[in-house]
Amino acid sequence: ETGVTQTPRHLVMGMTNKKSLKCEQHLGHNAMYWYKQSAKKPLELMFVYNFKEQTENNSVPSRFSPECPNSSHLFLHLHTLQPEDSALYLCASSQGTGLQETQYFGPGTRLLVL
Amino acid sequence: AQKITQTQPGMFVQEKEAVTLDCTYDTSDQSYGLFWYKQPSSGEMIFLIYQGSYDEQNATEGRYSLNFQKARKSANLVISASQLGDSAMYFCAMREGLIQGAQKLVFGQGTRLTINP
Repeated sequence: ETGVTQTPRHLVMGMTNKKSLKCEQHLGHNAMYWYKQSAKKPLELMFVYNFKEQTENNSVPSRFSPECPNSSHLFLHLHTLQPEDSALYLCASSQGTGLQETQYFGPGTRLLVL
Repeated sequence: AQKITQTQPGMFVQEKEAVTLDCTYDTSDQSYGLFWYKQPSSGEMIFLIYQGSYDEQNATEGRYSLNFQKARKSANLVISASQLGDSAMYFCAMREGLIQGAQKLVFGQGTRLTINP
């Protein structure tokens, strides 16, 4: 596979469930990101990992727990979510620090919390 | 204050016509980058074009071009000869600053473009 992949593509969960979103990048990049896209709101950056180290936690509630075991994989562990957490969760990666570096996105996971 | 402003929530254009999607930005950085992404209904954000703040020429990528007016802080996307497949949400984004080697992108609210046959 090429590019950035995300699984699952769709997820329905109850507020008491625990689930995980997975992201994998096949681009040899060093940085990976989680974004949340809610209806009628701009993309919100949640977490940033660079060389497996978390460098940004954008005031995200603790019910979202990221994990980056290596530069190619990124997880978002979910537990005791709220209905307002229903959104499209997008993963992205970028190579490095140059001005022209582009973030490449995966197809996203559409999450519905009941 | 909003960093990226896209004033057109929706646009309707006839197939084969050119279309301009507006984007204005706000930054005090001298060095920054501007990006446009396309998001079809499938959800994936597709990178279209990039413009650096020091680039003297407007960026072009196939049918996409970026009308960069630095003094006005605008970075409008121009799509020439629009096609039905261009129907999607379009997001303008700005990169400013670095987070220990990783970028931080700020996105606008997007413009929904519909191409009519």
